[in-house]
Amino acid sequence: DAGVTQSPTHLIKTRGQHVTLRCSPISGHKSVSWYQQVLGQGPQFIFQYYEKEERGRGNFPDRFSARQFPNYSSELNVNALLLGDSALYLCASSLWKKEQYFGPGTRLTVT
Amino acid sequence: AQSVTQLDSQVPVFEEAPVELRCNYSSSVSVYLFWYVQYPNQGLQLLLKYLSGSTLVKGINGFEAEFNKSQTSFHLRKPSVHISDTAEYFCAVSDPDYGGSQGNLIFGKGTKLSVKP
Repeated sequence: DAGVTQSPTHLIKTRGQHVTLRCSPISGHKSVSWYQQVLGQGPQFIFQYYEKEERGRGNFPDRFSARQFPNYSSELNVNALLLGDSALYLCASSLWKKEQYFGPGTRLTVT
Repeated sequence: AQSVTQLDSQVPVFEEAPVELRCNYSSSVSVYLFWYVQYPNQGLQLLLKYLSGSTLVKGINGFEAEFNKSQTSFHLRKPSVHISDTAEYFCAVSDPDYGGSQGNLIFGKGTKLSVKP
């Protein structure tokens, strides 16, 4: 069975630009969460979606937004990129209130 | 606010030696506790979790952890490590504000385990 997939694997953006990251959950999982992992730190929770509704939001600015589609895939959008947004962005899927399974991540570099 | 402290940023150890990776958390309410492993250029893989019941939890790859409520600790142990255990290990707690969910995890900063031959 396919695990959580994320695209792209790497990308480079310039300050001020916008970026969209994509995540496909494990088949049957209706919950998707997003985390940001800055180099040398543990992952930080950004959003959780379940059944296309936002169920949790971490301490991130409004430049960060997300959505979940009817097929339970998800997008994370970041506007007005800053150098500090450079990180590994991890997506995790789960059954509701059950353990999370993580994807390989998208490495974002902002120059 | 919840927090997780991993007391060692790096732990070097020789192959076949025992290892303990330490984790303390701050919480006055019940939480769920997790250990994840991250190999280079990969996502996180769940090693084990404590939800309730027995305080000694066994996970994959021969790892185990003990939940100690009075010391608010959840240390990870392995009696004999292999070269392949070289990775970064993260301790995490569930955010109790999200009541009963194993999502919305709060992670520690990680411990890099380096196993030497």
